[in-house]
Amino acid sequence: NAGVMQNPRHLVRRRGQEARLRCSPMKGHSHVYWYRQLPEEGLKFMVYLQKENIIDESGMPKERFSAEFPKEGPSILRIQQVVRGDSAAYFCASSPGRTLSDTQYFGPGTRLTVL
Amino acid sequence: RKEVEQDPGPFNVPEGATVAFNCTYSNSASQSFFWYRQDCRKEPKLLMSVYSSGNEDGRFTAQLNRASQYISLLIRDSKLSDSATYLCVVNTPSGTYKYIFGTGTRLKVLA
Repeated sequence: NAGVMQNPRHLVRRRGQEARLRCSPMKGHSHVYWYRQLPEEGLKFMVYLQKENIIDESGMPKERFSAEFPKEGPSILRIQQVVRGDSAAYFCASSPGRTLSDTQYFGPGTRLTVL
Repeated sequence: RKEVEQDPGPFNVPEGATVAFNCTYSNSASQSFFWYRQDCRKEPKLLMSVYSSGNEDGRFTAQLNRASQYISLLIRDSKLSDSATYLCVVNTPSGTYKYIFGTGTRLKVLA
């Protein structure tokens, strides 16, 4: 059973470009979460999605960031017009979502570097 | 006040030592608690869930004190391979399942 998959693992963008990060949850998991870890800081929640629905986006910056989890295919975190402050590790996690105590399993992360 | 607070460390301990980490959380309605381990530049991996009755997994013991709103992790007989950052995680009580992470406690086990 493959774990959570993320790609690309490393992404370099110049200021003003767009970044697209992809996450495929574990088989049988219908809940996806995105977290961001800035250098030397803890993980911060960004957004929680189920298939075709955004459930909680309270951690998403108001501008330039968007996320989706379509009926088919991976979840995508999209950052438009990237700035240097967007440089971070972006982790995706998934869970079955049946109960509040369900464990979240993390993917290997995408490390975004903005030049 | 941060929602989840941890001593950042680092804790430098010799092999074989016992080390304990504490974590406090601010929301008394929080319901689920976990310890994750994160190795340098890698993804967090679940170490153990934390229950009110306490739970043990080999050399690791986790405790939850709801009255004082703190969670502890005890590592006995430390190994070099235990060197990592230990993340205290609290699930929000709002029902949206999102995790609130502490900033982590760094442990270095020395030969």
